[in-house]
Amino acid sequence: GENVEQHPSTLSVQEGDSAVIKCTYSDSASNYFPWYKQELGKGPQLIIDIRSNVGEKKDQRIAVTLNKTAKHFSLHITETQPEDSAVYFCAASSYGQNFVFGPGTRLSVLP
Amino acid sequence: GAGVSQTPSNKVTEKGKYVELRCDPISGHTALYWYRQSLGQGPEFLIYFQGTGAADDSGLPNDRFFAVRPEGSVSTLKIQRTERGDSAVYLCASSLNPPGSGGETQYFGPGTRLLVL
Repeated sequence: GENVEQHPSTLSVQEGDSAVIKCTYSDSASNYFPWYKQELGKGPQLIIDIRSNVGEKKDQRIAVTLNKTAKHFSLHITETQPEDSAVYFCAASSYGQNFVFGPGTRLSVLP
Repeated sequence: GAGVSQTPSNKVTEKGKYVELRCDPISGHTALYWYRQSLGQGPEFLIYFQGTGAADDSGLPNDRFFAVRPEGSVSTLKIQRTERGDSAVYLCASSLNPPGSGGETQYFGPGTRLLVL
């Protein structure tokens, strides 16, 4: 089955700096890769997603890149703000089934 | 409603008891998912419904866990003979379209925090 690894487990950055979180997956059949932000006491919230026919996607300060050959994808947050502090999860799915989540990255943006 | 809702928000029970957790998906969403999240970990898939039927229940840990979605909307996750190891946050998510159709985006509810004493 699918296995998703995520690094780093914790990340601290200064406000205004960029943050990068990386995930690897094992199943070459996976073709949908969402990223979720989870704040304390809340459910995960989708922030961006990418499909396997696209190499990069950007939405304002957030971008995701996908390397299918190497089976890894990354989340990039630019101009970080204190409200970006949360736990971020990557996930991999094959046609919307068999969602497997990474273990999460706790991001702290220091003012 | 505007989003996925789950009730109760918190549930404390004793070992051996039976519990039911409810999920109200976003109106019109055909797919519904249940996940379990332990402290410090990512969500772990339990079961996926497409309409009224369980399309994939491969994540249910054992036969003490069961879920239904009789009318294709609200779903109930049922846990029999609860054990302390069942303590976790149980998350529900829904998506508009079936997997593979381009509508895989999952919207999560706030979760039910289950504590088994």
